[in-house]
Amino acid sequence: AQSVAQPEDQVNVAEGNPLTVKCTYSVSGNPYLFWYVQYPNRGLQFLLKYITGDNLVKGSYGFEAEFNKSQTSFHLKKPSALVSDSALYFCAVRPLNMDSNYQLIWGAGTKLIIKP
Amino acid sequence: DSGVTQTPKHLITATGQRVTLRCSPRSGDLSVYWYQQSLDQGLQFLIQYYNGEERAKGNILERFSAQQFPDLHSELNLSSLELGDSALYFCASSVGGGWYEQYFGPGTRLTVT
Repeated sequence: AQSVAQPEDQVNVAEGNPLTVKCTYSVSGNPYLFWYVQYPNRGLQFLLKYITGDNLVKGSYGFEAEFNKSQTSFHLKKPSALVSDSALYFCAVRPLNMDSNYQLIWGAGTKLIIKP
Repeated sequence: DSGVTQTPKHLITATGQRVTLRCSPRSGDLSVYWYQQSLDQGLQFLIQYYNGEERAKGNILERFSAQQFPDLHSELNLSSLELGDSALYFCASSVGGGWYEQYFGPGTRLTVT
């Protein structure tokens, strides 16, 4: 079965330190990959996506993500964390096989806590 | 502001009742998605419509139904409500499927008592 894993329920980082939120996937073919962020009491917001090309993708709020085909991973990173980055982060994958519909496969989410 | 609107913002109702949630997509978006978010089950995809037609179905219960109207707004109908249906219901829209990102509305918080 196709799946997306965010292995950490919660990630704690000190302000100013680099952060990484992990995402691995198990789907057929080369999928489209997405990161979304959800701030408290808000809807999800699109951060960035990988379609093709450069493995390092830059997105909103200084975030970037690295696509690693051999490890089937798409980890979200930021060089220097801000307290305002504290939120729930979702990884999502869109498989490209012929039987897939337009549905995204979503990870369970990772709560990122940035401590001052 | 994503440009996606959802009404109502909050809804409190009793078990066994029926409710309708409404979503207006961003201008120009043809796809509408419905999601359920609960504390213990994360984000669950329910259903997608594209230009009025059902395109994909996820973990949507038979008690739930949806439609997308000619003006592209969408409604999610929840019937015979149970306590376990209490959740946040999000609508999202996108230009199309595939690689297009989705834009989420603020959600409707449903409480079933």
